[in-house]
Amino acid sequence: GAVVSQHPSRVICKSGTSVKIECRSLDFQATTMFWYRQFPKQSLMLMATSNEGSKATYEQGVEKDKFLINHASLTLSTLTVTSAHPEDSSFYICSASTGKAEAFFGQGTRLTVV
Amino acid sequence: RKEVEQDPGPFNVPEGATVAFNCTYSNSASQSFFWYRQDCRKEPKLLMSVYSSGNEDGRFTAQLNRASQYISLLIRDSKLSDSATYLCVVNPLSGGYNKLIFGAGTRLAVHP
Repeated sequence: GAVVSQHPSRVICKSGTSVKIECRSLDFQATTMFWYRQFPKQSLMLMATSNEGSKATYEQGVEKDKFLINHASLTLSTLTVTSAHPEDSSFYICSASTGKAEAFFGQGTRLTVV
Repeated sequence: RKEVEQDPGPFNVPEGATVAFNCTYSNSASQSFFWYRQDCRKEPKLLMSVYSSGNEDGRFTAQLNRASQYISLLIRDSKLSDSATYLCVVNPLSGGYNKLIFGAGTRLAVHP
């Protein structure tokens, strides 16, 4: 299957700093990527849809100025958590589609804000 | 009402048991349905798609009832390695836009 690489897999940062998470499709071009967040024992919640070359579409309740998404190329989307706070600590996962029904997920990034 | 609802479990079953998970979805126009498996602290991985006619993959059988907006997953002859969280996933849109909506997942623990 298609490969999606997400980096870093784990990050610890201080409150108030910003963290960038990268999501790359390694063997296919992804015009659309999706960013999810998962809190412990909860389902994956879609945060935003990342469209190559245009602005991301955010889900209701997700602050676009706090979670900056850039999709500069067909193989790379980035999520930047700005001015992180402890309540932003979570598991962030990206996914990308080949255009068919199946979506492929990155390995996820576990963010801890201290 | 949540878009996709599942019984969170956990389901604790012995090896060799048969276990069934259920899921309901609220958007009657949903087009695609899946079961994903997620191991602890890992990304979800596709287990199988769910087709209207029902489909089977080895020990796993998935069924869809569009009229009742209900999806099921049956696991036969459970293995220890089946222990995981099973996510019911719905794509409300047709075509390639995979804006997947996830259920909260059902935890399965298979014991010796």
